[in-house]
Amino acid sequence: GESVGLHLPTLSVQEGDNSIINCAYSNSASDYFIWYKQESGKGPQFIIDIRSNMDKRQGQRVTVLLNKTVKHLSLQIAATQPGDSAVYFCAENRPGGNTPLVFGKGTRLSVIA
Amino acid sequence: GAVVSQHPSRVICKSGTSVKIECRSLDFQATTMFWYRQFPKQSLMLMATSNEGSKATYEQGVEKDKFLINHASLTLSTLTVTSAHPEDSSFYICSARDLDRGKTQYFGPGTRLLVL
Repeated sequence: GESVGLHLPTLSVQEGDNSIINCAYSNSASDYFIWYKQESGKGPQFIIDIRSNMDKRQGQRVTVLLNKTVKHLSLQIAATQPGDSAVYFCAENRPGGNTPLVFGKGTRLSVIA
Repeated sequence: GAVVSQHPSRVICKSGTSVKIECRSLDFQATTMFWYRQFPKQSLMLMATSNEGSKATYEQGVEKDKFLINHASLTLSTLTVTSAHPEDSSFYICSARDLDRGKTQYFGPGTRLLVL
């Protein structure tokens, strides 16, 4: 199930099930989005990206869906494994030259073996 | 490709000392580097943006005299925490971008700073 912790919401999933992590972004003009995975004590790792002219993109075991109408992004992980346990961040690129990505608050995915 | 390294990975220092953290892009030229800090169970907080050869742009509330950033080359940026205090203890992460490759930011492994 999903719960809101002190700072990060947590999603607990049974091993082998599919995971869906959601993200709401704020700027309707954002044109590029990235999902990052951060394991404990490490820097964020790039997982998958999507441009605003697409609504779906698939990678290996991961799919990103973009709904520009409601400014919503989701990351689907198929057949979730213990190694998927981490914090997942979405990031949006706002227009305006070389501006930094804007990160969401993150969701902690906990895989139950 | 797009590997970013940081050094050191962790550092413990006494209050009042200065600590330098290096961030290197190993296989690409980083036109821009970003420095973040992260407290436990929280998201990344952007501290500053630096472009090679120019002064860094600091986010509101970040003291530029406390957190000195130097981006002297297209592959190296340094963050110096001057006169560190226990409240500066945190996880510092750098990120690099090559605009020729697009807007993706690639992150280093982070540096854990503990100030006693």
